[in-house]
Amino acid sequence: QVQLQESGPGLVKPSGTLSLTCAVSGGSLSSDYWWSWIRQPPGRGLEWIAEIHHGGSTNYNSSLKSRVTISVDKSKNQFSLNLTSVTAADTAVYYCARNAPPVWGKGTTVTVSS
Amino acid sequence: DIVMTQSPDSLAVSLGERATINCKSSQSVLYSSNNKNCLAWYQQKPGQPPKLLIYWASTRESGVPDRFSGSGSGTDFTLTISSLQAEDVAVYYCQQYYRTLTFGGGTKVEIK
Repeated sequence: QVQLQESGPGLVKPSGTLSLTCAVSGGSLSSDYWWSWIRQPPGRGLEWIAEIHHGGSTNYNSSLKSRVTISVDKSKNQFSLNLTSVTAADTAVYYCARNAPPVWGKGTTVTVSS
Repeated sequence: DIVMTQSPDSLAVSLGERATINCKSSQSVLYSSNNKNCLAWYQQKPGQPPKLLIYWASTRESGVPDRFSGSGSGTDFTLTISSLQAEDVAVYYCQQYYRTLTFGGGTKVEIK
């Protein structure tokens, strides 16, 4: 079955760029699915960040749109997230997921601190 | 955006009793192509990622105990735990995947 694994730096400096990758195994990113990034700040609920289709179509959370880019690398069967100009408010566990039917990675913790 | 509203915010139930969580979407999440509702339920315990319990509103994920069930259609959905066990103490979230993804605010389930 499909499995997802997030990777990236666990610590990012304020005003820097957060970059994460989600490796997809057990299935092809080129299948007809949408793939998302979701985050959860400490002690808070879940927030959808962005989604991408293998064809390159994207959608973004309006509250983050100016700072977020989601991209796909079909040759590596992975998709990525870039979040620029980060602040402490971007500290969270970041999850990648297949939208439907849902499949999630285990998440990766990112802390924004100097 | 589709807004998901969960109720109650918290719930205390005696062991072996029924727990019911409600979720309402601001618009229908019924996908006409397959006549299924794009609604999932998750369980999250401290320090763990959300665990998928139910998708398509009523399909139980493999390995999930049958005391967990989902129901509803259109805009109104329910997660029922038929006989609460100690290991069910957690926060539960509903999520729609009809148009992008949005989540309910969560319901904390505790033992009375």
